[in-house]
Amino acid sequence: RKEVEQDPGPFNVPEGATVAFNCTYSNSASQSFFWYRQDCRKEPKLLMSVYSSGNEDGRFTAQLNRASQYISLLIRDSKLSDSATYLCVVNGLRDMRFGAGTRLTVKP
Amino acid sequence: GAVVSQHPSRVICKSGTSVKIECRSLDFQATTMFWYRQFPKQSLMLMATSNEGSKATYEQGVEKDKFLINHASLTLSTLTVTSAHPEDSSFYICSAPYTTNEKLFFGSGTQLSVL
Repeated sequence: RKEVEQDPGPFNVPEGATVAFNCTYSNSASQSFFWYRQDCRKEPKLLMSVYSSGNEDGRFTAQLNRASQYISLLIRDSKLSDSATYLCVVNGLRDMRFGAGTRLTVKP
Repeated sequence: GAVVSQHPSRVICKSGTSVKIECRSLDFQATTMFWYRQFPKQSLMLMATSNEGSKATYEQGVEKDKFLINHASLTLSTLTVTSAHPEDSSFYICSAPYTTNEKLFFGSGTQLSVL
C-alpha cells in the first residue's frame, strides 16, 4: 500500500463547478498535511496547509480527518486557472511524502 | 519569505557525462533537503533525503552510485547524475522544509535531457 494515495483523476469539470479531491495516508504518526498545486514543468506551490479544525481560503476548503486518515480539498466555483495537478503532502517524523497527484482540467 | 534556489534550470548533455545540480536555501538553514524526479505526466518521486553532515538516505530502487548527493553545508545540497544516459532524462527538483514539520520550499527544478 502506498503511503499517500490520491484520487487518480483526471477530473474534467466545467467552469463554476465544485470539485473535491481526497487523499489517504497510512502513517498514523503523520504530523502535518498540505495541499500543493503543480503546473506543468513547474515546481509545486503551496496551496494551503490542512488543520484538524479544517480551514478555508476563498474558494478552497481543506479538511483533515485523523481518525480515518484522510485529507480533502474542495474547490468551489472552479475557474479556468484552477487547471493544474493537485498534490497532497503528508509530513511524518522524518520526511514528507507526496501523493501521485490529481489532474484537474476546468473547461469553459 | 524563504527561498530555495536551484541551478541549472536546464541541462542538455551527451550520454556518459556527469551532471551536477545545486540546491541552495537562500535565507534559512536547511539541515534536510529532498530530491525528487518527475517523468512526464507522472507525480514527483522522492529519490533521496539529503542530510547535512551525514550520508543521504536513498529511496528503494535509487542507485546511490548513480545519483551522488552531497550536503556540504546548511545551505547547499548537490545532486550529481553520474554517467548520465537517455533514460535519466527527467525533471529533477529539490525542496527543503523551513523548519521541522513546516511546509516545503521548492527549487524551480532542473530539466535534464541526455542525448
